[in-house]
Amino acid sequence: DIQMTQSPASLSASLGETVTIECRASEDIYSNLAWYQQKPGNSPQLLIYDANSLADGVPSRFSGSGSGTQYSLKINSLQSEDVASYFCQQYNNYPPYTFGAGTKLELK
Amino acid sequence: EVQLVESGGGLVQPGRSMKLSCAASGFTFNNYDMAWVCQAPKKGLEWVATISYDGINTYYRDSVKGRFTISRDNAKSTLYLQMDSLRSEDTATYYCARHDNSGYGWFAYWGQGTLVTVSS
Repeated sequence: DIQMTQSPASLSASLGETVTIECRASEDIYSNLAWYQQKPGNSPQLLIYDANSLADGVPSRFSGSGSGTQYSLKINSLQSEDVASYFCQQYNNYPPYTFGAGTKLELK
Repeated sequence: EVQLVESGGGLVQPGRSMKLSCAASGFTFNNYDMAWVCQAPKKGLEWVATISYDGINTYYRDSVKGRFTISRDNAKSTLYLQMDSLRSEDTATYYCARHDNSGYGWFAYWGQGTLVTVSS
């Protein structure tokens, strides 16, 4: 199984700041990576697929990058509505599909 | 608008069975592979099972193989998860999810989830 290691586990940032969340795969996943946002009490929502493609309706302040085993999610100009947990997920080698453990983003 | 509405969760004793349903609307159900993903309380996401658009191919995580069965009724646009021999570690919110357009990739849409609590 491919292991997904996500960092940091938690993050505190100020409004307007830029934040970056990292995800490392245990082997090359050839950009077959998605990012999800889960706001408190809600179900996950797709943000990014294929490592850098923005899902429909997602604000352009979100972006994804990376290749091979290293990927990142960047949020520019942090807004209050971005407070959430963020998860990465690989779909290069399945089953099983595997997720990172998540990053909890809070406002400072 | 894509909608996925789960039902069937609740409290169940260890060793018993439970069947979850997911009613889909807003898209052509029989064109898409579907999945169940779970999340234990205060924990991360864990893929459970996937079924192909035609119901022919199914995939499971190791911990549920032989105990859980994913199925679908395309005429009713409904996805199911039959859970047998339930264990305390199966306690989680179970989400129904639609795979992406190209199949077997990311999870493009999610339901609101249904909580399954396995306890005596």
